[in-house]
Amino acid sequence: EAGVAQSPRYKIIEKRQSVAFWCNPISGHATLYWYQQILGQGPKLLIQFQNNGVVDDSQLPKDRFSAERLKGVDSTLKIQPAKLEDSAVYLCASSHGTSGSYNEQFFGPGTRLTVL
Amino acid sequence: GNSVTQMEGPVTLSEEAFLTINCTYTATGYPSLFWYVQYPGEGLQLLLKATKADDKGSNKGFEATYRKETTSFHLEKGSVQVSDSAVYFCALTRTGGGNKLTFGTGTQLKVEL
Repeated sequence: EAGVAQSPRYKIIEKRQSVAFWCNPISGHATLYWYQQILGQGPKLLIQFQNNGVVDDSQLPKDRFSAERLKGVDSTLKIQPAKLEDSAVYLCASSHGTSGSYNEQFFGPGTRLTVL
Repeated sequence: GNSVTQMEGPVTLSEEAFLTINCTYTATGYPSLFWYVQYPGEGLQLLLKATKADDKGSNKGFEATYRKETTSFHLEKGSVQVSDSAVYFCALTRTGGGNKLTFGTGTQLKVEL
């Protein structure tokens, strides 16, 4: 079974530029998550989708971050414009569902963003 | 709110030494508790989990017991190997919290020959 795919693996941009990350979850997984992991910290949930609907985006800085999962499969996370403090690893994860034995989250390798 | 506190690293051990990484949590209700591992250059992987008090999660020689009375979920292994070198994250999900993971800051483990 293929794992969670993410691209690009690395990205370097200057502040005020735009950037987009892509995630393809494990086939059949209805729930998709984007986490931000700043160096030296644990991952923090930015947004959670159930199919193509948003379940939780309470920690997403909506003035500059946006995410979509239009067809309920792959997802894109965008930052526009980027700030220095957005330098982090952006992790995508997916799970079958959110309860019982279907709630295990599988993580992709992440995209490391550096904002100069 | 929910939070996880784990011991700071790096932890450096000799091969075959005993490992303990401390983790304590604050949460409402009855959370599920997890340990994730991140090997160099790889994504996070679930190592073990426990969903109710007194449950013991185990995998690959690692164990952790859900202690509600001390709000702890310490990770242990009797004999570490060089291949166990990685960053270990303690995490929780809250019942009714939609499966959102709250992570600790991670503990780096280095095992030397």
